[in-house]
Amino acid sequence: EVQLVESGGVVVQPGGSLRLSCAVSGFTFDDYAMHWVRQAPGKGLEWVSLISWDGNGTYYADSVKGRFTISRDNTKNSLYLQMNSLRAEDTALYYCAKETTRFGESGYFDYWGQGTLVTVSS
Amino acid sequence: AIQMTQSPSSLSASVGDRVTITCRASQGIRNDLGWYQQKPGKAPKLLIYAASNLQSGVPSRFSGSGSGTDFTLTISSLQPEDFATYYCLQDYNYPLTFGGGTKVEIK
Repeated sequence: EVQLVESGGVVVQPGGSLRLSCAVSGFTFDDYAMHWVRQAPGKGLEWVSLISWDGNGTYYADSVKGRFTISRDNTKNSLYLQMNSLRAEDTALYYCAKETTRFGESGYFDYWGQGTLVTVSS
Repeated sequence: AIQMTQSPSSLSASVGDRVTITCRASQGIRNDLGWYQQKPGKAPKLLIYAASNLQSGVPSRFSGSGSGTDFTLTISSLQPEDFATYYCLQDYNYPLTFGGGTKVEIK
């Protein structure tokens, strides 16, 4: 059974930093690109970032570029999102999501975690 | 970034109704579009990929069409479990961008 479990979401002050983690199981992690997607309370979905299956390619939303860094540890079946210079508008439920295409970057997500809540507030 | 405009933002429909949701891209995106369903408190679920391909396990009452800038998600006969919010997502280029969502409510 495919499982994605996010963790690391807390209340943090504006300007602070946080690292989110996503632990995966049930599939060959290092064959698939992974994404982070977020959803502010009561709002729509926003794609945040992608990392390729081998970690050599990364992409970011304009809203987080230069502040967030995506990474992965294929030996630990884990995905990460380092979030720096946090702003109130980064408050959201953060989901990790698995690519559908092996060794590809189709942009379609077939499995999602349940999300971890990040609140940026003083 | 490519802007995705969904319409309507919400609709009311009855069980058995045919429902159509549209998504328009700010530039041509070939058929690089997916549709997701999200129920309250749950993660989104992939319904359609590459504009018209049904994801495995998704009921055949869901269908997608379109190419270029204009896309449609159709539910041929709305079922009680289909009341949810639907989002389109373009994967033509980065950054990937979602539409604003369409909430389908019970009439």
